[in-house]
Amino acid sequence: QKEVEQNSGPLSVPEGAIASLNCTYSDRGSQSFFWYRQYSGKSPELIMFIYSNGDKEDGRFTAQLNKASQYVSLLIRDSQPSDSATYLCAVAPKTSYDKVIFGPGTSLSVIP
Amino acid sequence: EPEVTQTPSHQVTQMGQEVILRCVPISNHLYFYWYRQILGQKVEFLVSFYNNEISEKSEIFDDQFSVERPDGSNFTLKIRSTKLEDSAMYFCASTLAGANTGELFFGEGSRLTVL
Repeated sequence: QKEVEQNSGPLSVPEGAIASLNCTYSDRGSQSFFWYRQYSGKSPELIMFIYSNGDKEDGRFTAQLNKASQYVSLLIRDSQPSDSATYLCAVAPKTSYDKVIFGPGTSLSVIP
Repeated sequence: EPEVTQTPSHQVTQMGQEVILRCVPISNHLYFYWYRQILGQKVEFLVSFYNNEISEKSEIFDDQFSVERPDGSNFTLKIRSTKLEDSAMYFCASTLAGANTGELFFGEGSRLTVL
């Protein structure tokens, strides 16, 4: 079983719409969850992290965590063309000491 | 704003040659990492490094790979005898308090092409 799974996409949404990105993970004891954004040819950059069940909001971004379902999501409200990128879900597994495992990413395209 | 810097940005090498990729982490960070990303694939963990020793390594990080912090600022990844499948973008990252507690700050990457 893959450690972190995401729909590869591409996910296309019109400008101004809500984009919903999903992620599941296999290590039930994982404690820390991250969403990174990666533009083509660039390095990943952190958007949000979440540690507790529930929702966490930061501007247009909302991360949602459900540890019982081993599920993390990212909602992007009022999507902009500049949000077009690959979104990487990352998880710090309980089984490891100091690493973060990345999912394969979901490609998002926001259409003007 | 402090940043992680990596050199070279692109290196082309022949199969079997040794390669050293260099990184300067953010100055007050204590934890250092190498990740790689083969074109079109996911970002893969290679190794974490803290207090001058490897904390954790992946199956990819075999005897052909080594890391070193030769001085107070540089963090290097050496590939002893490159293979075609080592062609990838290699990202260095650093963080203040461990990968599971906060943001990984990535460098811009070093693209390695093995011919």
